[in-house]
Amino acid sequence: QQQVKQSPQSLIVQKGGISIINCAYENTAFDYFPWYQQFPGKGPALLIAIRPDVSEKKEGRFTISFNKSAKQFSLHIMDSQPGDSATYFCAARRGASGGSYIPTFGRGTSLIVHP
Amino acid sequence: EAQVTQNPRYLITVTGKKLTVTCSQNMNHEYMSWYRQDPGLGLRQIYYSMNVEVTDKGDVPEGYKVSRKEKRNFPLILESPSPNQTSLYFCASSLYASGVYNEQFFGPGTRLTVL
Repeated sequence: QQQVKQSPQSLIVQKGGISIINCAYENTAFDYFPWYQQFPGKGPALLIAIRPDVSEKKEGRFTISFNKSAKQFSLHIMDSQPGDSATYFCAARRGASGGSYIPTFGRGTSLIVHP
Repeated sequence: EAQVTQNPRYLITVTGKKLTVTCSQNMNHEYMSWYRQDPGLGLRQIYYSMNVEVTDKGDVPEGYKVSRKEKRNFPLILESPSPNQTSLYFCASSLYASGVYNEQFFGPGTRLTVL
């Protein structure tokens, strides 16, 4: 059972364009939604994260939009650059309210930004 | 430098030959975990540890063992490796299991091939 569904699997964008990656979750107990960026040969690294009490969080060119009622969240990369080419993972996790602390990851999106 | 280290980075072995992948962190983190990454499946948690001598199963624990005798180390043990355990493995750590600002740091990965 895939608790976090991520799309698209791959994405090609021109330099300067907007990259959009979407994730949907099922478990309403999730209360922390991080996005990770992974370059080839490296481990994932936290990019940006959001709690469900806000609808949007922006850090530089990266923005998370969160729709609690639809149980969806998305990553927007504005002015995409070739250096943004990487695999992006969304994730969802239950917090200290109890239960499993196991984070659930989406299957990843391979982003290629052409110069 | 704050980091998570794994060894070895690459390993080719044969079915049934016991192996250990080491993981160490120098950030005094309480929470450590192991993931495997497979194409199209994203990251799946194998085992996690909330603190010394406290470990629990993740989503895909079959065929793996872990131990947490010291806070900084969390080795992954494959008692009798099989070809379906061929994968890219990541160790990760965070200060605690949950929390808004509780960033998870990943190691560089270990690529394991079981023939």
